[in-house]
Amino acid sequence: DQQVKQNSPSLSVQEGRISILNCDYTNSMFDYFLWYKKYPAEGPTFLISISSIKDKNEDGRFTVFLNKSAKHLSLHIVPSQPGDSAVYFCAADNTDKLIFGTGTRLQVFP
Amino acid sequence: DGGITQSPKYLFRKEGQNVTLSCEQNLNHDAMYWYRQDPGQGLRLIYYSQIVNDFQKGDIAEGYSVSREKKESFPLTVTSAQKNPTAFYLCASSNQGTNQPQHFGDGTRLSIL
Repeated sequence: DQQVKQNSPSLSVQEGRISILNCDYTNSMFDYFLWYKKYPAEGPTFLISISSIKDKNEDGRFTVFLNKSAKHLSLHIVPSQPGDSAVYFCAADNTDKLIFGTGTRLQVFP
Repeated sequence: DGGITQSPKYLFRKEGQNVTLSCEQNLNHDAMYWYRQDPGQGLRLIYYSQIVNDFQKGDIAEGYSVSREKKESFPLTVTSAQKNPTAFYLCASSNQGTNQPQHFGDGTRLSIL
């Protein structure tokens, strides 16, 4: 049973527009969430995280929103750039272990 | 530069052979992790270690073994008991404590011939 779900396997966005990647989780005990970006044949790169005591965290073009009542988080990228094209994984911290979603492939086209 | 080094990048082995994947970090992190990624799936945890000489099984530990004799090193052995070993293997490390992100190496792609 998947505890962290990314229901959209892919997303295509025009350069300069907003990209919104979504993630749902089932365990209300999760209290720390992370987003990673991954290029083919490379390891994931940590992007941004959020603690459950917050509902928003921003870092440059990247903003993560957390809705605890809905058990939902989203990553907003504004403006999207071609270099953002990659697979994005959300992850939830489960007492020193991370549980990953299956990823969303983002393609940013000119 | 600090980081996590996985070697080799690509590894080929015959069926029935054990193979060991290397992971070294110079970030002075206490915790280290091994994940496996298969096409269309997220990362699944194989083993993790929060301190030298101690490690715990993750969600898919069967057919794998690890050791943690040094803080910097966390090698993973894929044994012949692993039924489907062909995959992309990722090593990660993190500081101890709450809300510490894990940082990843660039992975080893293992193919069984």
